[in-house]
Amino acid sequence: QLQLQGSGPGLVKPSETLSLTCTVSGGSISSSSYYWGWIRQPPGKGLEWIGSIYYSGITYYNPSLKSRVTISVDTSKNQFSLKLTSVTAADTAVYYCARLKGYYFGMDVWGQGTTVTVSS
Amino acid sequence: SYELTQPPSVSVSPGQTARITCSGDALPKQYTYWYQQKPGQAPVLVIYKDSERPSGIPERFSGSSSGTTVTLTISGVQAEDEADYYCQSADSSGTYSYVVFGGGTKLTVL
Repeated sequence: QLQLQGSGPGLVKPSETLSLTCTVSGGSISSSSYYWGWIRQPPGKGLEWIGSIYYSGITYYNPSLKSRVTISVDTSKNQFSLKLTSVTAADTAVYYCARLKGYYFGMDVWGQGTTVTVSS
Repeated sequence: SYELTQPPSVSVSPGQTARITCSGDALPKQYTYWYQQKPGQAPVLVIYKDSERPSGIPERFSGSSSGTTVTLTISGVQAEDEADYYCQSADSSGTYSYVVFGGGTKLTVL
């Protein structure tokens, strides 16, 4: 059974870079059928798509975050990662990784979520 | 930017039918997906491609579409269905398509 496990620092200082990794187990990240994505949810608010990546490295980002986001993939480790630069308190959220059938399609498998707080 | 509009809240009694709507101008052109999210948990996909149900999702969950509005219907609501529900589709108006979520609807089972 496919599982996604997010990991990374729970506390990031303002203006610094948020870095998270999602490890895929029970399946291959190199599957040609799927994309892999990051979604976040600020406390008490709704879901926001950050971006999606294909195993080949093709990426698509939310236009509102594109200037600060980089998503990368490491097929040898079955992992994909998120970097968000110049963070502010508004970036405080639970960050989820997920599997998508297409880069803007539905997410059928989700990680448990990683809580990231931006504070000095 | 493109928006999907959901009612903030819907309330029903156990055994009744809950209908949660999602409105957006581009919905006739793109598939819609629905997620259930309980407190402290990750979202769970309950409907994909407007009306398809993933394996393991109870038959009481169904989806339909009509014009610029899609609807998640939960028939015979149970207490365990109390959760936040989000619709998701895509904005294809720009250089490339990207994911858009509705604001979410809190379903309360009275």
